[in-house]
Amino acid sequence: QKEVEQNSGPLSVPEGAIASLNCTYSDRVSQSFFWYRQYSGKSPELIMSIYSNGDKEDGRFTAQLNKASQYVSLLIRDSQPSDSATYLCAVLRDDKIIFGKGTRLHILP
Amino acid sequence: EAGVVQSPRYKIIEKKQPVAFWCNPISGHNTLYWYLQNLGQGPELLIRYENEEAVDDSQLPKDRFSAERLKGVDSTLKIQPAELGDSAVYLCASSPPGRWYEQYFGPGTRLTVT
Repeated sequence: QKEVEQNSGPLSVPEGAIASLNCTYSDRVSQSFFWYRQYSGKSPELIMSIYSNGDKEDGRFTAQLNKASQYVSLLIRDSQPSDSATYLCAVLRDDKIIFGKGTRLHILP
Repeated sequence: EAGVVQSPRYKIIEKKQPVAFWCNPISGHNTLYWYLQNLGQGPELLIRYENEEAVDDSQLPKDRFSAERLKGVDSTLKIQPAELGDSAVYLCASSPPGRWYEQYFGPGTRLTVT
């Protein structure tokens, strides 16, 4: 089992709808969780971090963490074409950041 | 605030040649990372520095890769000799004190080995 798993997509979502991106991780001792956005040909950009169970909201973005289920998700409300990108889930474990392969999100105008 | 600076942005070399990448982190950021990213994959850590000390170089292929951060600011990553499989994007990232896990990436160097 990979340490950080994401569906590679593409995930197609109509403009204005909610995009839901999911990530599972294998090691229960993982401590902190991050979402990065990466546009094609660009470098990753940190958009959300979450450290405790529950929801964390920042503008149109909500990160959700369930440590019991080893599951972290990112919700994007009112999706815009500019949200089309690859979203990387990253997990902090034993002083090391481990990235998933990312999910490609395509917002349909 | 200026971001992480990397150079060159693109590099094409023949196999067995040496290559070097340079990174200047965000001012005040004491943690610096070098990552490798292949197409369709997430970044993979090569080395992490805290100031001038390499605190995690377990994934650096030391037979051909080397890195330095002599004064705890900018850093150089070198490959000698390069192999075809080294073709990838090399990303540098930095983090502020006390939040080393929140990384800010530079634009990357796209290396093509022919």
